[in-house]
Order: sequence, then C-alpha cells, then structure tokens
Amino acid sequence: GAGVSQSPSNKVTEKGKDVELRCDPISGHTALYWYRQRLGQGLEFLIYFQGNSAPDKSGLPSDRFSAERTGESVSTLTIQRTQQEDSAVYLCASSFRPEGGETQYFGPGTRLLVL
Amino acid sequence: AQSVTQLDSHVSVSEGTPVLLRCNYSSSYSPSLFWYVQHPNKGLQLLLKYTSAATLVKGINGFEAEFKKSETSFHLTKPSAHMSDAAEYFCVVSARWGKLQFGAGTQVVVTP
Repeated sequence: GAGVSQSPSNKVTEKGKDVELRCDPISGHTALYWYRQRLGQGLEFLIYFQGNSAPDKSGLPSDRFSAERTGESVSTLTIQRTQQEDSAVYLCASSFRPEGGETQYFGPGTRLLVL
Repeated sequence: AQSVTQLDSHVSVSEGTPVLLRCNYSSSYSPSLFWYVQHPNKGLQLLLKYTSAATLVKGINGFEAEFKKSETSFHLTKPSAHMSDAAEYFCVVSARWGKLQFGAGTQVVVTP
C-alpha cells in the first residue's frame, strides 16, 4: 500500500508569511508524529496525534506553530509569521498505535526555506 | 526521560571492512531502541529495532545491533561495508507512547 506522503516537497517563503504543511499518513495508522530536522542535525520531536487529539505538543517551538488532524487522516502543520530559523525539513511519521515499540514510517519531508 | 548519544559524528571505512557505529542510551524504563538510515535526498528508513525480546537484533542489508543493558549501549555493526552503505545513521530511543528521541547522527563514508 501507499506510504506516508507529504506536500509540498519544497516550499520557499518570505519571512513573516504563513505556511501550511500537509501529511497523509498510512491508512489505518492511529498515531501521527511531526518532527523537524535542521541542517546537519538530528530530528526534533514537535507534536504527536492519537486520532485527532494531540496529547503531547511539548516540542512545538513557539505559539507560531500549530497542528491539527482530521480524524485518523490528514494532518496539517501551520507556521505563522515564519522566521529564518524555521528553515528546516519537516518530517511526518505514522504508526499503527502510539506505543514505544511500534515502527514509525516516515514521509519524504517538506523542505522549508524562509528567506 | 530518554536520550541517546552517538559517539561518532563521522565514520570512514573501506569497502569490505567491518562497520561499527556506537550508541549509548539513557532511559528511565526498559527502552525501545531503533536504528534508522537516511541516504542523501531520501527519506528515513528503519534498519532494525529492539523491543525487549532477543538482545541481538538483525536488520536489513546485513546490519545487526546488540542491546547491552549493563553498558546502556546499542551499537550497530555490519561485517563487510558496501559502497551503498554510505549514508547518515541515527540511533533512536522511544518514549512509551512512541515519541522518538534521535541521536545527532553518524555520517558513514565508504571508500573503495
């Protein structure tokens, strides 16, 4: 079946503009995770969803970042008033259940560049 | 809280020689541990995972890792490196509900 997909694959925006990043998880996966990878660094956790609720938002860097999920389907990560330090690859992952041993399947990422 | 430390930021090996990527973890409970690989301009791919079953875990492409609780280590090895193994490798520990904590990564270079 299809894997995790993300759109757009690349996004260039001007400082101060809002952006929306989309993630389509694997069908049937209840857990969805957003991560950020800055250049030359490992991944940082942002937020996770179980169904359409977000039990842990602790990784969101500021109140400019928000995310939502429709049921057990698509999720959107929104960054308002983008700053240059928001430039990174944003990765989405999904798993069948939100449990420690579950394999997370990653999408290809959205590469965001804020000028 | 969980954390991982990858002890080498870069590893260079000759094709056909063994590969060793070192990882130490910290966890307040019995952890789930993973190794992921990221090839240039490609997505993250799971190599293998440990979830409290056998301590020696075999993964794809000839990789394996051994969980050593006494040393809090989860080192990744491969007996014979291939050119296609050139990539970045991440050691990862998981929280109970799945949040992944990534190490900083080890860049592997394979020379002919």
